[in-house]
Amino acid sequence: ETGVTQSPTHLIKTRGQQVTLRCSSQSGHNTVSWYQQALGQGPQFIFQYYREEENGRGNFPPRFSGLQFPNYSSELNVNALELDDSALYLCASSLQGGDQPQHFGDGTRLSIL
Amino acid sequence: AQRVTQPEKLLSVFKGAPVELKCNYSYSGSPELFWYVQYSRQRLQLLLRHISRESIKGFTADLNKGETSFHLKKPFAQEEDSAMYYCALSGLGAGKLIFGQGTTLQVKP
Repeated sequence: ETGVTQSPTHLIKTRGQQVTLRCSSQSGHNTVSWYQQALGQGPQFIFQYYREEENGRGNFPPRFSGLQFPNYSSELNVNALELDDSALYLCASSLQGGDQPQHFGDGTRLSIL
Repeated sequence: AQRVTQPEKLLSVFKGAPVELKCNYSYSGSPELFWYVQYSRQRLQLLLRHISRESIKGFTADLNKGETSFHLKKPFAQEEDSAMYYCALSGLGAGKLIFGQGTTLQVKP
């Protein structure tokens, strides 16, 4: 069974730029959720994708957007980067329905200069 | 507002001592609660969930709706239990977790 993989592992951008982070879900999982984890904080829910559509969103502005592909992999896009966007971005996959366990990737560390 | 609070950033105990990691939540409905753990150099992983009422690696957690708590307990800590522990609430819908800030458990030999 292949676990959740995220790319890239590290990324450095400057304010105002745009970034795309990628996530391959665990084999057999059809739902992908994205979280932002600032230093010293717990993960914060950004949004979830199921059947290629957004299925719930946390308190994040529209410049955070995403996609899910037919193979269930997903992208997180952030436009107009701000310094506060510096964080670890975690992807988690699961089966839809009930409270299925979330399986997390190692994350992408994004630094904004 | 839906919220999870873990009041201790760091909990340090000696091997063999009992451990209790505190978690309090704020949620108006019927909560689904979880404990996730992150060992050094490993990814975040599910430890246990209240709906299963199971014991994993000697850890248990009981949901107390009156006190809105879901504390994680283990009677005898082991050095390998040293890790970051997060309490999480499924308050936004299935699979959409609200995490606490986390507690680092340090088990000293």
